[in-house]
Amino acid sequence: DTGVSQDPRHKITKRGQNVTFRCDPISEHNRLYWYRQTLGQGPEFLTYFQNEAQLEKSRLLSDRFSAERPKGSFSTLEIQRTEQGDSAMYLCASSLAGAMDTEAFFGQGTRLTVV
Amino acid sequence: QKEVEQNSGPLSVPEGAIASLNCTYSDRGSQSFFWYRQYSGKSPELIMFIYSNGDKEDGRFTAQLNKASQYVSLLIRDSQPSDSATYLCAGGGRGGKLIFGQGTELSVKP
Repeated sequence: DTGVSQDPRHKITKRGQNVTFRCDPISEHNRLYWYRQTLGQGPEFLTYFQNEAQLEKSRLLSDRFSAERPKGSFSTLEIQRTEQGDSAMYLCASSLAGAMDTEAFFGQGTRLTVV
Repeated sequence: QKEVEQNSGPLSVPEGAIASLNCTYSDRGSQSFFWYRQYSGKSPELIMFIYSNGDKEDGRFTAQLNKASQYVSLLIRDSQPSDSATYLCAGGGRGGKLIFGQGTELSVKP
């Protein structure tokens, strides 16, 4: 396993369109996290899953955002009716719940540009 | 007040010097803290984590945690130009989520 994989790496979309990103975590990791990072800021937590259950969503997360992890493996993040303010790097991370359960590893991210 | 705060920098040090990066946090319930390094356009990579008060050393890196003062720091000894990056401090939250500071940009000059 080569780590957390995200697809696509880059996405340019027109305002109002829907976009979907995919994340494949490290295979033995049962926790999966989505973060958003804008220029000059640290990553901001969006949501996380333990296995297939979505356990927390940020209060800052608009209803236009939805995430799934249907079989407890890969996850998708969908943004509906994109806005220019959604332009950011979307990062996925995974970890294994346990003694070192918060040692999270990040994927390379999907850079979204809304024009 | 942000939950995790860092000076955004940039912090500039000469090659071979010690770089000192600082972070404060507001949630006294946070038990674990992490330092990530992020090169421009890349994703964060974990350098160190620390759970206990005191110092933790790993090679050229030393993390320090003072829970009474709600303060975390990272020292980089013998700084190299390849250490030039943004350093992100994060507190561990419920379920393993990370609360990041805004990052400190470090520049190591040859």
